[in-house]
Amino acid sequence: AQKITQTQPGMFVQEKEAVTLDCTYDTSDQSYGLFWYKQPSSGEMIFLIYQGSYDEQNATEGRYSLNFQKARKSANLVISASQLGDSAMYFCAMSPEYSSASKIIFGSGTRLSIRP
Amino acid sequence: NAGVTQTPKFQVLKTGQSMTLQCAQDMNHEYMSWYRQDPGMGLRLIHYSVGAGITDQGEVPNGYNVSRSTTEDFPLRLLSAAPSQTSVYFCASSYARWVGGHQETQYFGPGTRLLVL
Repeated sequence: AQKITQTQPGMFVQEKEAVTLDCTYDTSDQSYGLFWYKQPSSGEMIFLIYQGSYDEQNATEGRYSLNFQKARKSANLVISASQLGDSAMYFCAMSPEYSSASKIIFGSGTRLSIRP
Repeated sequence: NAGVTQTPKFQVLKTGQSMTLQCAQDMNHEYMSWYRQDPGMGLRLIHYSVGAGITDQGEVPNGYNVSRSTTEDFPLRLLSAAPSQTSVYFCASSYARWVGGHQETQYFGPGTRLLVL
């Protein structure tokens, strides 16, 4: 069975600093996808970034990058130059299929708080 | 293009009552799914569907039924509500496969807050 582990329940970061949110995953499959989502206090789920298991380069989307270390089974989210609006819950998630958003399972989340 | 819509936004039920949470999408997505989110936790997959007439169970299916008669709609039914089903319910949709290496996303509805007394 697949599993996502986020070991940081909460983090405080100074505005404009970079922050890394940890995520490790467990699967015996070779084909899978990894996701990060943001959930602000308003409650909606916002897709941030995706990394497929066969993708050799780390995914980037603006200030977000995914540090994919396949051998270590880790998929950390890096946010550069953090902003006050980055304060939210962040979820790492995994699909058992490559290039698909099906059957996604989620980690327990990390609450990120940005200090001005 | 309304995206993913969910109704109602908030509902209070008594133990043993039944109700249906509605979910609709207008993006012609094959894949739809239901999640529940309990306080301080991540989302857990209840049921999902890869197309009209096809549904399957997720991580926590007990106490919930689904059907998919059209591409657009994916209702979630609680046959006999229990306090343990108090949660926020999210519906999501996406294309089943991302073609040609083009990255798609999974779209979420705004959620339904359900309180079972």
